[in-house]
Amino acid sequence: GAVVSQHPSWVICKSGTSVKIECRSLDFQATTMFWYRQFPKQSLMLMATSNEGSKATYEQGVEKDKFLINHASLTLSTLTVTSAHPEDSSFYICSASAGQGKTGEKLFFGSGTQLSVL
Amino acid sequence: QKEVEQDPGPLSVPEGAIVSLNCTYSNSAFQYFMWYRQYSRKGPELLMYTYSSGNKEDGRFTAQVDKSSKYISLFIRDSQPSDSATYLCAMGPGGGNKLTFGTGTQLKVEL
Repeated sequence: GAVVSQHPSWVICKSGTSVKIECRSLDFQATTMFWYRQFPKQSLMLMATSNEGSKATYEQGVEKDKFLINHASLTLSTLTVTSAHPEDSSFYICSASAGQGKTGEKLFFGSGTQLSVL
Repeated sequence: QKEVEQDPGPLSVPEGAIVSLNCTYSNSAFQYFMWYRQYSRKGPELLMYTYSSGNKEDGRFTAQVDKSSKYISLFIRDSQPSDSATYLCAMGPGGGNKLTFGTGTQLKVEL
């Protein structure tokens, strides 16, 4: 299967600082990437859909000024948590799709980033 | 009612047992059905990918989809301790489009 690399694996930061998480597709070009958030023992909650060269589409209830998404190339999307607060502490996961949202394509996930805000 | 329902478990079985994991759903538009395995603090790993109704087998894993009942299953034969993980079902109208996930079933295979 395709490989999606996500960094960092974990990060601890002080309240009020910003944190950037990178998601890279290593062996394919990803026109679409997705960012999820997962709380302990809960399922993945889709935060936003990132399309290369255009603005991200955010799910209802997700603050776009808080969670900045940049998909500047076909192999890289970044999620920046701005002015992080303890309630932003969570496990963030990205996924990538090789196609353009066409039917039948598969979705591959990064290894996730555990964010802890003190 | 959630679009996808999945028993969170935990489900504990002895090594070598056949494991049955299930999800039900309510959206008739779902055409693609997937099973992911997630180890603690890791990203989900795609296990099985199925289109529409029917069965698909891959090694010790078998996925079944019954669209008439809106019910999907994952069977694991000869379960191993290394199969201990959380198993997430996911589905969508298009494979790479926004997927709807179940909450995941935590499985523990004991020696």
